[in-house]
Amino acid sequence: NSKVIQTPRYLVKGQGQKAKMRCIPEKGHPVVFWYQQNKNNEFKFLINFQNQEVLQQIDMTEKRFSAECPSNSPCSLEIQSSEAGDSALYLCASSLWTGISNERLFFGHGTKLSVL
Amino acid sequence: QQKVQQSPESLIVPEGGMASLNCTSSDRNVDYFWWYRQHSGKSPKMLMSIFSNGEKEEGRFTVHLNKASLHTSLHIRDSQPSDSALYLCAASPWVGDNSKLIWGLGTSLVVNP
Repeated sequence: NSKVIQTPRYLVKGQGQKAKMRCIPEKGHPVVFWYQQNKNNEFKFLINFQNQEVLQQIDMTEKRFSAECPSNSPCSLEIQSSEAGDSALYLCASSLWTGISNERLFFGHGTKLSVL
Repeated sequence: QQKVQQSPESLIVPEGGMASLNCTSSDRNVDYFWWYRQHSGKSPKMLMSIFSNGEKEEGRFTVHLNKASLHTSLHIRDSQPSDSALYLCAASPWVGDNSKLIWGLGTSLVVNP
């Protein structure tokens, strides 16, 4: 069973609506990633955090999404105004961070967003 | 153009057979390869990783890496129906944050009982 907890499992929104999803990373993992997996299985990196700070994000995320990882609260990713093209599986992953090697990612089950 | 190409797109093998999956990176700034497995409706889970030339074996799974050609392959012997899943290859620099992970589109494996 995944120790990265994502909620909700399914989300249905109309175009223009906000869509918010949450993620509790595995305990002790300071690094959190958000990916978008479309129906063609393409993984698109959206944003990552180290503790509460944004490490990197793509332009789309900066312009259309709101994301945070507050201490002692779940991380969240929110689309400010949903579009049909946002329909996808949103995967949250967490990992350790050593700074000298790559660590594997532990994924949650994802939030499947459908924008009608 | 995908920077990490996986082949075949889909593969059907009989139970007990050998499944061979391929992955090549066209981005030369990678040093580390990962294989993740994603069962339908489930989260991806890391299967194996490799960064040295040669092969690495863990149970029924063997992964090969040729760093000169940036080609890795995953071989599953004695395939089981429970191995049916999407197999994702990812490549990353040896030292760096994982936002630089480049993912392939996966190989969908079906093992027929």
